[in-house]
Amino acid sequence: SQQGEEDPQALSIQEGENATMNCSYKTSINNLQWYRQNSGRGLVHLILIRSNEREKHSGRLRVTLDTSKKSSSLLITASRAADTASYFCATDAGDYKLSFGAGTTVTVRA
Amino acid sequence: DTGVSQDPRHKITKRGQNVTFRCDPISEHNRLYWYRQTLGQGPEFLTYFQNEAQLEKSRLLSDRFSAERPKGSFSTLEIQRTEQGDSAMYLCASTSAAVYEQYFGPGTRLTVT
Repeated sequence: SQQGEEDPQALSIQEGENATMNCSYKTSINNLQWYRQNSGRGLVHLILIRSNEREKHSGRLRVTLDTSKKSSSLLITASRAADTASYFCATDAGDYKLSFGAGTTVTVRA
Repeated sequence: DTGVSQDPRHKITKRGQNVTFRCDPISEHNRLYWYRQTLGQGPEFLTYFQNEAQLEKSRLLSDRFSAERPKGSFSTLEIQRTEQGDSAMYLCASTSAAVYEQYFGPGTRLTVT
């Protein structure tokens, strides 16, 4: 079963705009990770945030985590055409197994 | 530096046939995972190995599925008597001990006709 749920399911933005997607989960976690998947390919790890962290940055990515609400958000700033992909949050309860959500499909229009 | 590789990339088979997929992890990684992903969904955990030991199997993994990792290197996933519901992308990932981030291969897309 999938623990996480992403919102929205799909997002279409203009190049240069910011994209924000949210993830909610159900059980306690050790860390939460975000992955990107280009059409029909494997997943690429983007960023990891631990349960005792509230915010993390990596390049144009900003992730927040609110463990009291069991939710996380991923912000991509100044989007580019190459950011067109599906984005998945994945939770890890500390047992080194990932439980993924259904993903948010992001389309960046030129 | 080679990443995780999977073979074949695509497999079309008739219902009832057996299929076997191979995954070669990043060489120094001792943990190896198999996931299944259907259209429009995120990957679902199937099983994982630490070295050659299979530590956990999901309830999704019916008796028709078996995975091995001889000598703690490459791994194989076999599906016996395939069914149309087995059509999916099968993803392999690997990582090192005490590391949470996983490195994924390109996947094997299985179509059962």
